[in-house]
Amino acid sequence: EPEVTQTPSHQVTQMGQEVILRCVPISNHLYFYWYRQILGQKVEFLVSFYNNEISEKSEIFDDQFSVERPDGSNFTLKIRSTKLEDSAMYFCASSEALHLARVHTDTQYFGPGTRLTVL
Amino acid sequence: QQPVQSPQAVILREGEDAVINCSSSKALYSVHWYRQKHGEAPVFLMILLKGGEQKGHEKISASFNEKKQQSSLYLTASQLSYSGTYFCGTRDGNSGYALNFGKGTSLLVTP
Repeated sequence: EPEVTQTPSHQVTQMGQEVILRCVPISNHLYFYWYRQILGQKVEFLVSFYNNEISEKSEIFDDQFSVERPDGSNFTLKIRSTKLEDSAMYFCASSEALHLARVHTDTQYFGPGTRLTVL
Repeated sequence: QQPVQSPQAVILREGEDAVINCSSSKALYSVHWYRQKHGEAPVFLMILLKGGEQKGHEKISASFNEKKQQSSLYLTASQLSYSGTYFCGTRDGNSGYALNFGKGTSLLVTP
């Protein structure tokens, strides 16, 4: 069964460093998302991406964050200057988006996550 | 705005039933239920749409009361594998295609 994959599974970095989290969405999916989950808390939406541009973003997704689809398969989240509070599990998700009018009914499939630890 | 889930935690014996609730103060387009086991990704269980359409697992049932903006997930004859944290994610008129998740309900099924 097709699945979303993410690399690395765990990333440790120093405060102020840049990190890039990578995701390979399900191959025929067109809508991509990043969520994060701070340990023990709920899953929070960061950003969605469609047709090579950001569709929506939350208040969390400030100027230190950026997303990119550098090629036909990868979807990346870059955090430019990491802070201690960026430590969290970052999940990538994708959905089919065959019919834009019904994207709100699409199932989002989540990847296994990247655990980011900022020291 | 995040939905409110109840209860926060449930402990069951194998074979018992449970109901997990999710409510919102906003008119909802859809409710999505996920189960997450410790250290793993959320796994899709069920989607309930405005108008009554449902998509999801055969062994899991759920309801969506559009007037009350509430959804309930019914876990019957629970198995040990049902243990995990259950999240509801909702879409309303302001959230676009993003999901707003509740804080989760922790379910533990014991032998």
